[in-house]
Amino acid sequence: NAGVMQNPRHLVRRRGQEARLRCSPMKGHSHVYWYRQLPEEGLKFMVYLQKENIIDESGMPKERFSAEFPKEGPSILRIQQVVRGDSAAYFCASSPSSPENEQFFGPGTRLTVL
Amino acid sequence: EDKVVQSPLSLVVHEGDTVTLNCSYEVTNFRSLLWYKQEKKAPTFLFMLTSSGIEKKSGRLSSILDKKELFSILNITATQTGDSAIYLCAGRGVKGSSNTGKLIFGQGTTLQVKP
Repeated sequence: NAGVMQNPRHLVRRRGQEARLRCSPMKGHSHVYWYRQLPEEGLKFMVYLQKENIIDESGMPKERFSAEFPKEGPSILRIQQVVRGDSAAYFCASSPSSPENEQFFGPGTRLTVL
Repeated sequence: EDKVVQSPLSLVVHEGDTVTLNCSYEVTNFRSLLWYKQEKKAPTFLFMLTSSGIEKKSGRLSSILDKKELFSILNITATQTGDSAIYLCAGRGVKGSSNTGKLIFGQGTTLQVKP
């Protein structure tokens, strides 16, 4: 039973480019969460999605960031026109049918903006 | 604003020592507290606590929650070098009518176990 998969593991972008981060939840999990870990800081919640729906995006910057979890395929976190301050580790977590279950994390994508 | 505070921020011990990591929380309509171990990659789930006073154990690790005093502790006995990691504590609550499952993380405690 594969765990949460994220790709790419490392992503380098120049300022102004777009970054697309993918997350495939554990088999049977329908809830996906994205968190960001800035250097020297703890994990911060960004967005919570169920299939085809954004449930809570209160932690996501209002501009340049978007997320989706389509009926088929992985969840995508998209960052447009990246800036140096977007450099961080982005973690995805998934949980089974209820948001009260434990969340299982993927290995993260380390984004570096040059 | 919801917050979770961990202490100490870092800790150095020798193999065989017992350590206690602390986590205090202020989370609106608190539902559960979770502990994770983070090495170089994914945070690995350790425990989820929802009820006061009931200890959860897994091998040399154990954890307990005090909902009256709003804190939790994680104990590791007979530490080994493989226990070296960042230990994360996260609180989860409910806002309004929606339960989003959002975790509020503390800063983490960095544990180093020396041989």
